[in-house]
Amino acid sequence: DTAVSQTPKYLVTQMGNDKSIKCEQNLGHDTMYWYKQDSKKFLKIMFSYNNKELIINETVPNRFSPKSPDKAHLNLHINSLELGDSAVYFCASSQTISEQYFGPGTRLTVT
Amino acid sequence: GQQLNQSPQSMFIQEGEDVSMNCTSSSIFNTWLWYKQDPGEGPVLLIALYKAGELTSNGRLTAQFGITRKDSFLNISASIPSDVGIYFCAGSSGTYKYIFGTGTRLKVLA
Repeated sequence: DTAVSQTPKYLVTQMGNDKSIKCEQNLGHDTMYWYKQDSKKFLKIMFSYNNKELIINETVPNRFSPKSPDKAHLNLHINSLELGDSAVYFCASSQTISEQYFGPGTRLTVT
Repeated sequence: GQQLNQSPQSMFIQEGEDVSMNCTSSSIFNTWLWYKQDPGEGPVLLIALYKAGELTSNGRLTAQFGITRKDSFLNISASIPSDVGIYFCAGSSGTYKYIFGTGTRLKVLA
């Protein structure tokens, strides 16, 4: 009965590769988010979708492309991975602007 | 990007002690959230605050929404070893976007 789930948990890949991270929530929420947590544990929002529509798009390289096939899913595709993309990526969901619930994270390591 | 200042940045305390931490912003917020993150896991929501002056408890945790709407406080009473972790505040001015604090790293000595 996991609320917000992400796959994979760990992702190790080489520079230049393209990879995707998947997120699913079973809370019935209408809004989903992607956050990046760096090595200093700073959490920064990247994107947010409300009812499959992009509503937040922070200053993120266009190599990052979110896709929301439906309200319960938000995937993150990253092209041409760079060393600086190494971080932990968290998916979260909320019902409108209320409390956000986070997934377990995907630790991305680019070598 | 904008971040909220949390204080203290880290603290060591003895088991059984009370803990206080705070979060300050240069902007007014309508909602404050407090999270705890354990190593290798995602942040877990502890308390949500929606009104200036509001005081809300969750077990040994108590959080307050500052009267100025620019700060929030979290207290943990009678700390135990499993309280160790990173505590984050997050504030929103009424939009979908939450700004997160820099985190307070708590270590409890048994």
